[in-house]
Amino acid sequence: EAQVTQNPRYLITVTGKKLTVTCSQNMNHEYMSWYRQDPGLGLRQIYYSMNVEVTDKGDVPEGYKVSRKEKRNFPLILESPSPNQTSLYFCASSWRLAGRPYQETQYFGPGTRLLVL
Amino acid sequence: EDQVTQSPEALRLQEGESSSLNCSYTVSGLRGLFWYRQDPGKGPEFLFTLYSAGEEKEKERLKATLTKKESFLHITAPKPEDSATYLCARTSGSRLTFGEGTQLTVNP
Repeated sequence: EAQVTQNPRYLITVTGKKLTVTCSQNMNHEYMSWYRQDPGLGLRQIYYSMNVEVTDKGDVPEGYKVSRKEKRNFPLILESPSPNQTSLYFCASSWRLAGRPYQETQYFGPGTRLLVL
Repeated sequence: EDQVTQSPEALRLQEGESSSLNCSYTVSGLRGLFWYRQDPGKGPEFLFTLYSAGEEKEKERLKATLTKKESFLHITAPKPEDSATYLCARTSGSRLTFGEGTQLTVNP
């Protein structure tokens, strides 16, 4: 089954304790991306990657790191989490049809709900 | 700065009562306009992509249209299972900017 998986699905942590949220896709997609979703602010793009070893900032990259060492995996790293990073996080992936944007038919993961105390 | 504004924020309809959701966006550099559906606690699900003014796409009771400044998601004779949050997003390249969504509730 084609899917994007995220782990963990729920996480409670404390300020300053480094954490990693994993994202994996089994569709051989080139493009992967991380978003956060907050009430009143909608979905905002954190980082994206157009291929292995190619990453770039989205609209809200501060406080986050990513890496893309393998095509299928795109982990999100919070080196020193703070309470304002409490949010619902989504990973997404897509392929690219020739001449079309990467985001066409973007598949989203189930989400990771993070609470930073 | 890319912006996407959706209206209304929330919409309640009776089953069978057709209506439209609006999405206005910054025009500069637009390469694609997307509609997604999001159910509570789940990730967004892709519905449509529109690329140029005048383009229309349909799927069951939903039809998306695009003008030079806006996109509309028309819902014809909705059913309770159409209840969800509908998200609009635009891309100007590799980045994707979402609106805040319209929460649609269809009462039986």
